[in-house]
Amino acid sequence: AQSVTQLGSHVSVSEGALVLLRCNYSSSVPPYLFWYVQYPNQGLQLLLKYTSAATLVKGINGFEAEFKKSETSFHLTKPSAHMSDAAEYFCAVSDRAASGNTPLVFGKGTRLSVIA
Amino acid sequence: DSGVTQTPKHLITATGQRVTLRCSPRSGDLSVYWYQQSLDQGLQFLIQYYNGEERAKGNILERFSAQQFPDLHSELNLSSLELGDSALYFCASSVLGQGALNEQFFGPGTRLTVL
Repeated sequence: AQSVTQLGSHVSVSEGALVLLRCNYSSSVPPYLFWYVQYPNQGLQLLLKYTSAATLVKGINGFEAEFKKSETSFHLTKPSAHMSDAAEYFCAVSDRAASGNTPLVFGKGTRLSVIA
Repeated sequence: DSGVTQTPKHLITATGQRVTLRCSPRSGDLSVYWYQQSLDQGLQFLIQYYNGEERAKGNILERFSAQQFPDLHSELNLSSLELGDSALYFCASSVLGQGALNEQFFGPGTRLTVL
């Protein structure tokens, strides 16, 4: 079964500093990979997705993620943190091998705090 | 706004009761997914419907059931509620397209509190 590990349940950065949120997946076949963001009392919003077109994926709000097959990783980065980036971030995978849409398997989430 | 709507936004009920959560997918989306988000279990997949038929089942309790209607809206029924069922319940939808990119769009969720 697919699984996702997000290292660090809480990450704190200063405003303007680099944001790095880690995600590792376990799958024999590279899956589809996603990062979602959840602001307080809101639903999940898709930040970016990896589907194999390019290993460096750019998303919304200045975020990007790099797929590294050799490391089975899909870490999320942003060069300069903004106060509005404070939220919960979820890495998710879905099965590429199966035909049709499949449910997402989520990591446990990383809460990002941005300090002024 | 993802285009997925969920009602009600909040629900407070007592143990042993039954509730129904409703979800309307984005226009044109045929797949509906239900997820449960709780502090101890995180975000867990419950069940998926595609065009009215059950497609996949996750960690859904026997006390829970769901269905998707001809107009594609879906309902999640939770019965014999227990304190541990208190959680945020999300609905998501996606279109079954070529390549199955599987981008899922999430609703705002229904927060269920069981007292």
